[in-house]
Amino acid sequence: QVQLVQSGAEVRKPGASVKVSCKASGYTFTGYYVHWVRQAPGQGLQWMGHINPNSGDTTYAQDFQGRVTITRDTSTNTAYMELNNLRSDDTAVYFCARDKGWVTADFFFFDFWGQGTLVTVSS
Amino acid sequence: DIVMTQSPDSLAVSLGERATINCKSSQSVFYSSNNKNYLAWYQQKRGQPPKLLISWASTRESGVPDRFSGSGSGTDFTLTISSLQAEDVAVYYCQQYYSSPPVTFGGGTKVEIK
Repeated sequence: QVQLVQSGAEVRKPGASVKVSCKASGYTFTGYYVHWVRQAPGQGLQWMGHINPNSGDTTYAQDFQGRVTITRDTSTNTAYMELNNLRSDDTAVYFCARDKGWVTADFFFFDFWGQGTLVTVSS
Repeated sequence: DIVMTQSPDSLAVSLGERATINCKSSQSVFYSSNNKNYLAWYQQKRGQPPKLLISWASTRESGVPDRFSGSGSGTDFTLTISSLQAEDVAVYYCQQYYSSPPVTFGGGTKVEIK
C-alpha cells in the first residue's frame, strides 16, 4: 500500500533552518511528483512546491522562493524539504503529498499524504 | 493567483440531514479543450492529513461513500453530504489546480453535528 512517512517534530530558533524528510513506499517513487503543503495552527493549506523525483526538477511557490529547497534521494525513495531563515510565522505542520497524476502529466492534486511534521519556530 | 472562497465557515447539521458547502473561484477553472473543471475537494479530520474526496469537480475517489457528491462548473462549486454521519465531522477544503503552480485552497468549512 502507498505510504508517505515523514520525520518527527522539530523546534528551531528564528533564523535557523529545518529539513523534513518524506519516505515513500508501496509505489514507484520516480513515477509521481511529490508536493509539499503546509498548515499553520488553526489555518488552511498552503502549497509550497514540488519535485519530479525522476528528473529532480523543482518548482516553488512565489511566497517561498529563495528560502525553500526540495530535493530527493532515489536510492532511499525519500523526498526532502528544507526551509531556511525561519520566522515565527513558519510555525506549521508540513505535509508531503503525492500527485495523483503520472510524472509525465502531473495533475497538481494529491491522493496520498504524509502524516505531517510539526515545525515550531520560537526563540 | 486564483482565490478560492468557501462558505459558510462552519455549519452544524443533524445526523442524517444534508450538508452543503460552497466554493467560489476568482476566475473560471473550467478548461474547455477537455471539458473538465480543475477542482478538488478534501476532508481533514482533527489531527490527520487531508483526504482526497473528489477531483475534476464531481469524480469521487475510490472508497469514498456515495453520500459525498460534487457539482458545479466554471467558478461556482458545491460539495454535498446527502445524509450526514458522525464520522463526517471534519473540515472540508476545495482546491483549484487549473492555474498551477501554484495550486490554491479555500479557507475551509468546519462541519459539526447539531
